[in-house]
Amino acid sequence: AQSVTQLDSQVPVFEEAPVELRCNYSSSVSVYLFWYVQYPNQGLQLLLKYLSGSTLVKGINGFEAEFNKSQTSFHLRKPSVHISDTAEYFCAVSESFGSGGGADGLTFGKGTHLIIQP
Amino acid sequence: ETGVTQSPTHLIKTRGQQVTLRCSSQSGHNTVSWYQQALGQGPQFIFQYYREEENGRGNFPPRFSGLQFPNYSSELNVNALELDDSALYLCASSLAGRTFTEAFFGQGTRLTVV
Repeated sequence: AQSVTQLDSQVPVFEEAPVELRCNYSSSVSVYLFWYVQYPNQGLQLLLKYLSGSTLVKGINGFEAEFNKSQTSFHLRKPSVHISDTAEYFCAVSESFGSGGGADGLTFGKGTHLIIQP
Repeated sequence: ETGVTQSPTHLIKTRGQQVTLRCSSQSGHNTVSWYQQALGQGPQFIFQYYREEENGRGNFPPRFSGLQFPNYSSELNVNALELDDSALYLCASSLAGRTFTEAFFGQGTRLTVV
């Protein structure tokens, strides 16, 4: 069974500074990886996904992530954060091809709260 | 194109009662998945419905059950509510074909069990 570890429960960063949110996964098979964002009192929105191909994937709102198979990591980065990026960020994994998670659903980490300080 | 809508947005139930949560999937989607998100945790997969049948299930007891209707909307039913069932319940819809498309999430239903 797959699992996801988000190493930081909370990351404070100053506005316009770069940020990296860390995600490690474990699985015995090939996986597909996702980052979701959750704003207060809202559902989840897909930021980006890795299904195959280039290990560097770009998403919405200026975010990007790099898949590293040897380190089983999928860290999320943004070169310059804005106050509006304050939210909860979730890394997720699926062993079923496609973005919907297949019949086994998506396995999520516990989330990282990104706090942007002015 | 309408998004995923869930109802109600909030509700409070007493331990031992039963509850039904509803989800309307995004237009054109045929698959609905339900997740439970406890406070301070990531969402946990409950089950998925495809073509009106349960297509996959996470580690949840049988008192969590569901339905999918011909219009692809869905219900999540929880019997014999326990205090630990207090959580945000998220519904996600996607289109299943040769692969699954992106899952779009609703805003969730906040269930409080007292």
